[in-house]
This record gives sequence, C-alpha cells and structure tokens, in this order.
Amino acid sequence: DARVTQTPRDKVTEMGQEVTMRCQPILGHNTVFWYRQTMMQGLELLAYFRNRAPLDDSGMPKDRFSAEMPDATLATLKIQPSEPRDSAVYFCASGLGSREDTQYFGPGTRLTVL
Amino acid sequence: AQSVAQPEDQVNVAEGNPLTVKCTYSVSGNPYLFWYVQYPNRGLQFLLKYITGDNLVKGSYGFEAEFNKSQTSFHLKKPSALVSDSALYFCAVKDTGRRALTFGSGTRLQVQP
Repeated sequence: DARVTQTPRDKVTEMGQEVTMRCQPILGHNTVFWYRQTMMQGLELLAYFRNRAPLDDSGMPKDRFSAEMPDATLATLKIQPSEPRDSAVYFCASGLGSREDTQYFGPGTRLTVL
Repeated sequence: AQSVAQPEDQVNVAEGNPLTVKCTYSVSGNPYLFWYVQYPNRGLQFLLKYITGDNLVKGSYGFEAEFNKSQTSFHLKKPSALVSDSALYFCAVKDTGRRALTFGSGTRLQVQP
C-alpha cells in the first residue's frame, strides 16, 4: 500500500529556530506539492515540483521559507527563522503529473512555534 | 483564477438518512473536480473526481458526486449516512494549465446515531 510519508509528525520549537520538514512521495510519482492548513486560511498551496524542478512557489514567503527536492524520493520544506504565525499543519502530496491526476496526501507535520 | 465555495460550515444528518455536502466552483477553463475527506489528526484522503464523461461520479465508501455545469456545482452525496462518515470534507478544483488544487474551506459532516 503505497503512501506519502512525512517526518516529523509533530514539531514544537521556539521562535527564531530553523525547522525542516521532510516528505517521501509515492515511488514513481513525479509531482510533489506542499500545502499548509490553518483554521483561519484553510488549505493553501505553498509550492510544487515536477520532476524535482520547482514550478510554482508563489504561495511561499520567500524570505523565510525554502523548498527543495534533493532527489526523487525526498522533498524538504525549511523555515528559517520560524515565527509563531507559521504554526500550522503542513501537508505534502504527490501525484503522477497529469492535470487529471489525483494527489495523494501524507499525514502532515503539525508545527507549533512558541 | 479558480475558486471553490463550500457554503456550509457544518452539515448534520441522522444515521441512515441521505446526505449532501455542497460545492460550487469557478474556473476559466474546463474544471477537474475532486472531493477529499479528512479524519481528525489525519491527512486528506481522496474520495472521487470528475474529469469528463458521466456527470454522476462514484467514489470510495459509497459516496458519489454530481457534476452540474450550468450550476457550476459538484455536490457530494451518499444515500445512507453512517456515523463513521463524520469528518471534514473538502471540495477542490484544478483549472486549465494548473497542476495544483484549489480547496474549498471545508464542511464538517456530523452523523448522529
């Protein structure tokens, strides 16, 4: 049963600290998406990659957020420095890349910045 | 720009009764429409999607959705609700040229025994 995995599942940190979240997409999927979920904003797209290249990161605060795919099996989302307003659940999703394709979501990383 | 509206924050239904969760959309091209469900402390699970063809789409767990182009709607339905269907439901859309989903605000479904 192929699944998207995310680590850590929960992260509590202090303001100013660096946070790195990791995602392993489903093997064979060539698109990876990062979403953020908050009560106020709902689900927002932060960035997405196709064949490891970033296609859209317009939803991401560029001054503190960065997203990369070091290889086809790993996507990372980094926040440096973190702020309390970054507290949210961050979801990674992967897909096969066509427009009609279904995205499959990981379990999420719950980030709390104190 | 693409957008999705889920007009109900919460839907309450008795077990065994039919349920409907509403969704309307706005896109500039042909829409690709999706429903996802989220259980507490879990990621989103895919339920069903409309790409083309029959307006009635059948998905997981007995759910179905009806695409109505003239009303720009894609309502989620189930003939007989279960208590275990209680969860947060998200409608989402993809527009021409986009790969990423735009989600609605979510509707919490509460099924009472």
